[in-house]
Amino acid sequence: DTAVSQTPKYLVTQMGNDKSIKCEQNLGHDTMYWYKQDSKKFLKIMFSYNNKELIINETVPNRFSPKSPDKAHLNLHINSLELGDSAVYFCASSQEPLSSQPQHFGDGTRLSIL
Amino acid sequence: QQQVKQSPQSLIVQKGGISIINCAYENTAFDYFPWYQQFPGKGPALLIAIRPDVSEKKEGRFTISFNKSAKQFSLHIMDSQPGDSATYFCAASKNEKLTFGTGTRLTIIP
Repeated sequence: DTAVSQTPKYLVTQMGNDKSIKCEQNLGHDTMYWYKQDSKKFLKIMFSYNNKELIINETVPNRFSPKSPDKAHLNLHINSLELGDSAVYFCASSQEPLSSQPQHFGDGTRLSIL
Repeated sequence: QQQVKQSPQSLIVQKGGISIINCAYENTAFDYFPWYQQFPGKGPALLIAIRPDVSEKKEGRFTISFNKSAKQFSLHIMDSQPGDSATYFCAASKNEKLTFGTGTRLTIIP
């Protein structure tokens, strides 16, 4: 069973569209994250939720809106997509919101903006 | 501002050799230093981690060396194997946030 699963795996869309990426974890973890990995493989945290509450919100355009319906799910909605949003987006989870806890990553969603 | 600097960007090592990847950090408040391994098409996976009160940690063929005064730490892969070919990320953490290095693409050749 996949521990952290993201859908879709690939997302190709036009500039200006709105899209969502879904993430689910079956590890029973309390904390979930969204990371962005750019074309140079640089990995940067975007958001973190603990028990459905936002605890980290990095400097991310407000076109990006995370939503956590329950602690096993953390979805990412992106409005008015721009060329610079092209990247691989990773969802991750950890037992607690302590950075010393191992983070378990999904396999990523590759977003391509045309 | 890159808080965790990683080098080299890419590394080619012969099978059986030692792979060494270096990282340096600026923020002395960082209190946990993990290394993640990423294969193509997959997410990063935790490989090994160390706290700053320890100078070295070894798990199998993987060793982290930590120099608190120099604010540097490194990953050593002994007896490197083709299956070790991947991208490696060092990271440093404070509170709830992980800050990643820029990654090293490691290729092990026969």
